[in-house]
Amino acid sequence: AQSVTQPDIHITVSEGASLELRCNYSYGATPYLFWYVQSPGQGLQLLLKYFSGDTLVQGIKGFEAEFKRSQSSFNLRKPSVHWSDAAEYFCAVEAMYSGGGADGLTFGKGTHLIIQP
Amino acid sequence: EAGVAQSPRYKIIEKRQSVAFWCNPISGHATLYWYQQILGQGPKLLIQFQNNGVVDDSQLPKDRFSAERLKGVDSTLKIQPAKLEDSAVYLCASSRNRGAGDTIYFGEGSWLTVV
Repeated sequence: AQSVTQPDIHITVSEGASLELRCNYSYGATPYLFWYVQSPGQGLQLLLKYFSGDTLVQGIKGFEAEFKRSQSSFNLRKPSVHWSDAAEYFCAVEAMYSGGGADGLTFGKGTHLIIQP
Repeated sequence: EAGVAQSPRYKIIEKRQSVAFWCNPISGHATLYWYQQILGQGPKLLIQFQNNGVVDDSQLPKDRFSAERLKGVDSTLKIQPAKLEDSAVYLCASSRNRGAGDTIYFGEGSWLTVV
């Protein structure tokens, strides 16, 4: 079965500084990988997704993520954070079934991002 | 385009009582999911529908949880009887299909507190 590990429960970053959130996955085949963001009291919003091809994917709000197969990682980055980026960030992997479709998302436990003024 | 709608947003019940949550997915989306998100954890898939059929309910506690999507559109998740550990946010999500990479869109969730 697939799994996702987000090693950092909390991350504190100063406004304007760069950000990297770590994500490691376990999946037997080529993974489909996602990053979602959840603001307090809100649902999950998709930031970006990786299926194949270029290992550096661009997302919304200035986020990007890099897929590294050798490290089983899919880390999320942003060059300069804004106070509005404070939220919970979830990495997820999607399992495929033999017919070529998908069986829903498996999420990590999330990383809580705190922005210092 | 309207998003995934859920109701009620908040519910407080006593243990052993029952509760039902309703979800209306994005129009035209064949796949509907119910996730449970306990405080401090990531969402966990409870059940997945394709149109009005169940694709995966392996993590649904079937002794107390039930879900249906009778007409292949909106869905209801029921808990009866509720336990304290059922306190969580119940997220409904939908996607156009089960195709690999189909974006899954989430509702704002229904917050359940069992006291």
